[in-house]
Amino acid sequence: NAGVTQTPKFQVLKTGQSMTLQCAQDMNHNSMYWYRQDPGMGLRLIYYSASEGTTDKGEVPNGYNVSRLNKREFSLRLESAAPSQTSVYFCASRRTGSRNEQYFGPGTRLTVT
Amino acid sequence: GIQVEQSPPDLILQEGANSTLRCNFSDSVNNLQWFHQNPWGQLINLFYIPSGTKQNGRLSATTVATERYSLLYISSSQTTDSGVYFCAGRVKTSYDKVIFGPGTSLSVIP
Repeated sequence: NAGVTQTPKFQVLKTGQSMTLQCAQDMNHNSMYWYRQDPGMGLRLIYYSASEGTTDKGEVPNGYNVSRLNKREFSLRLESAAPSQTSVYFCASRRTGSRNEQYFGPGTRLTVT
Repeated sequence: GIQVEQSPPDLILQEGANSTLRCNFSDSVNNLQWFHQNPWGQLINLFYIPSGTKQNGRLSATTVATERYSLLYISSSQTTDSGVYFCAGRVKTSYDKVIFGPGTSLSVIP
């Protein structure tokens, strides 16, 4: 199992450009998440999806959109990137049931100039 | 409100020392997890511990859900334990929303 995979690993954007961060999991988990982590800070939830076809806002959703394409894939889109979106983005998935731990991908380091 | 707090924010240990990290969470949070973020940024599951005590090698964790706190114990610390330790919990009123505490940054020096 690859677990949770994210692409790309690194990206540099100019202000106003758009891009989509991809995330996929092969653990058959129902729930998926996008977080951002800024230097010296914890993880803040951007959006999450409890199941295929559903998405909900987290703590910091402004400036982002998401798509739960199918059970495996959950993408995060920046329509018009801003320097304040420079961050490391982590995708996670979570099993449901009696042991519902989260598992994280390796992260995408995004710089917006 | 919905809160997950951690203490201390920073900790420096001599190799071989023991430490206790604390996570306090509000009544609206449950299903605690502990993670370690290594110096390369990778987030690693340590414990899923909604209640009770678990041990894994030199690490153990205890959650007292009725008093809304969890403790992570690190014994005989090693330099490879350095990094940031996060606790996270599920928001009860929102089925799958999981939020994180601010973390404890641990440095183990030889």
